[in-house]
Amino acid sequence: SYVLTQPPSVSVAPGQTARITCGRYNIGGISVHWYQQKPGQAPVLVVYDDSDRPSGIPERFSGSNSGNTATLTISRVEAGDEADYYCQVWDTSSDLLWVFGGGTKLTVL
Amino acid sequence: EVQLVESGGGLVKPGGSLRLSCAASGFTFSSYSMNWVRQAPGKGLEWVSSISHTTTSYIYYAASVRGRFTISRDNARNSLYLQMSSLRAEDTAVYFCARFLRTYSDGMDVWGQGTTVTVSS
Repeated sequence: SYVLTQPPSVSVAPGQTARITCGRYNIGGISVHWYQQKPGQAPVLVVYDDSDRPSGIPERFSGSNSGNTATLTISRVEAGDEADYYCQVWDTSSDLLWVFGGGTKLTVL
Repeated sequence: EVQLVESGGGLVKPGGSLRLSCAASGFTFSSYSMNWVRQAPGKGLEWVSSISHTTTSYIYYAASVRGRFTISRDNARNSLYLQMSSLRAEDTAVYFCARFLRTYSDGMDVWGQGTTVTVSS
């Protein structure tokens, strides 16, 4: 089981908005980072510190974090956004310290 | 170009050892804390170990590898290492090296392409 809870899959039609959640008690009190991973490739950081984007990441990718849920939002979804998405936190209450969620497979219909 | 390139993976028998390397280029390696993250076949990402930019600050391990794996770095050679011993079947994975964006509470903004470790008799 994972300390961070993500839905196994999310499906969305092109042009629509995808929302991927990451759940943990009081996750709103710590910073959350999000990664995109396409098959056979290394992960790519798409959002850090809840809502900041690294350079080169489209504005369509945004994040929020409050209470027990952090959310990665992908607006105007494109076929190329189909990938696995992982949330990650630095959790001093966990033996793992750096914790990843179980991942969510985003399918573009 | 900022780049991390892993090497050293391969097939090893249970109980064996392997040393992974990660060569950094395109940035000031000595200024960044680094990580090893692994991914078992068909599974998610799992943090393995982290080391501060100066080895005297911190070194941490996941419980699953503590006592068996040793992380180290050579800032003069722009290289990160992971010495793995007493390997088990469950250590089979792609191993990525990754750079912290700024500090240990940050995300990891640069990743290598990964090197595959297979533990099997």
